Amino acid sequence: EVQLVESGGGLVQPGGSLRLSCAASGFTFSDHYMDWVRQAPGMGLEWVGRSRNKVNSYSTEYAASVRGRFIISRDDSYMHLYMNNLATEDSAVYYCARVSSFGSLNDFWGQGTLVTVSS
Amino acid sequence: AIRLTQSPSSLSASTGDRVTITCRASQGIATYLAWYQQKPGKAPKLLIHAASTLHSEVPSRFSGGGSGTDFTLTISPLQSEDSATYYCLQYFNYPQTFGQGTKVEI
Repeated sequence: EVQLVESGGGLVQPGGSLRLSCAASGFTFSDHYMDWVRQAPGMGLEWVGRSRNKVNSYSTEYAASVRGRFIISRDDSYMHLYMNNLATEDSAVYYCARVSSFGSLNDFWGQGTLVTVSS
Repeated sequence: AIRLTQSPSSLSASTGDRVTITCRASQGIATYLAWYQQKPGKAPKLLIHAASTLHSEVPSRFSGGGSGTDFTLTISPLQSEDSATYYCLQYFNYPQTFGQGTKVEI
């Protein structure tokens, strides 16, 4: 069974930093591209960034809204999202999501971890 | 970025009804469109990809159609457990983008 478990969310002050983690099981993690997607309270879904698979050196892509502030790192077991210079508009539930083998879309999602940026 | 516009934003229907949600893309995306269901406090679940292909274990009362710029998600017959918010997603190019969501109340 595919499982994705996020951790690391919490309350942080504006300008602060936070690291989120995603632990995967039930599939060959290194074979898959992986995404971070966020959802602000009561709002829609926003793609944050992508880590390609091991064959593609775990290279990354980012949404314009986070590029230069967020960094995705990954090894064969975990994916992390380093978030720096956080702003109130970064407050959201952050989901780790697997990219499917049948197209560049997400087929499985974790339960999410809440990040609140507030003074 | 490609913009996706869903309509309606919300709807109310009864069990057994047929409901249709539309998703319009700001430019042609062939059939690179997916639909997700999200219930309160839960992660989105993939329902349909490639505009009309049902994901594994998704009930057959869900169906999708369309290509290019105009797409539909139909639920028939509507069941009480279908109360949720539905999102479309385009994965034609970067960045992938979502519609704003359609809330279905039963």
